[in-house]
Amino acid sequence: KAGVTQTPRYLIKTRGQQVTLSCSPISGHRSVSWYQQTPGQGLQFLFEYFSETQRNKGNFPGRFSGRQFSNSRSEMNVSTLELGDSALYLCASSLTDTYEQYFGPGTRLTVT
Amino acid sequence: QKEVEQNSGPLSVPEGAIASLNCTYSDRGSQSFFWYRQYSGKSPELIMFIYSNGDKEDGRFTAQLNKASQYVSLLIRDSQPSDSATYLCAPRGGSYIPTFGRGTSLIVHP
Repeated sequence: KAGVTQTPRYLIKTRGQQVTLSCSPISGHRSVSWYQQTPGQGLQFLFEYFSETQRNKGNFPGRFSGRQFSNSRSEMNVSTLELGDSALYLCASSLTDTYEQYFGPGTRLTVT
Repeated sequence: QKEVEQNSGPLSVPEGAIASLNCTYSDRGSQSFFWYRQYSGKSPELIMFIYSNGDKEDGRFTAQLNKASQYVSLLIRDSQPSDSATYLCAPRGGSYIPTFGRGTSLIVHP
């Protein structure tokens, strides 16, 4: 079974721009969660989507948003990029009623 | 008090030894406990989970859970250099917000 895929793998953007990251979950997984990982803050939860609805949201500003499509694929968007948004963005998928999450390879975002 | 506490390490053990990684959590509502392994530059990989008090063994890995003490640990027997990584603890089920520990760096030297 194919794992979680994320595109693109690397991105370089400048301050003020916006970016969209994509995640395709494991086949059959309906929950998709997004995380930001930085050396200073560790792994921080952004939001979780299930059946196209945002089910939970972490403590991030409104510049961070996401959505999920009917095929469970998910996108996250960051608008008005700041230098502090430079991080590894990870997507994780899980089955309906389990917390067992499987991570994708991540998107490394660098904001200059 | 941090929600999930792990010793950042590094924990250095010789090849073949037992590595013991510990995690304490503050949310008494936590029901499920997950251990992830993260190699440098890679994403976290789920290696163990435990739901009930006691021990759960899977190959060289043993997870131990004590809900009364709010403590979960991961033992790695016969440690190998390939086990060198950061190990993240993740209790789930209390809060709806997933919380991960900062991780313990493990170094297994030949």
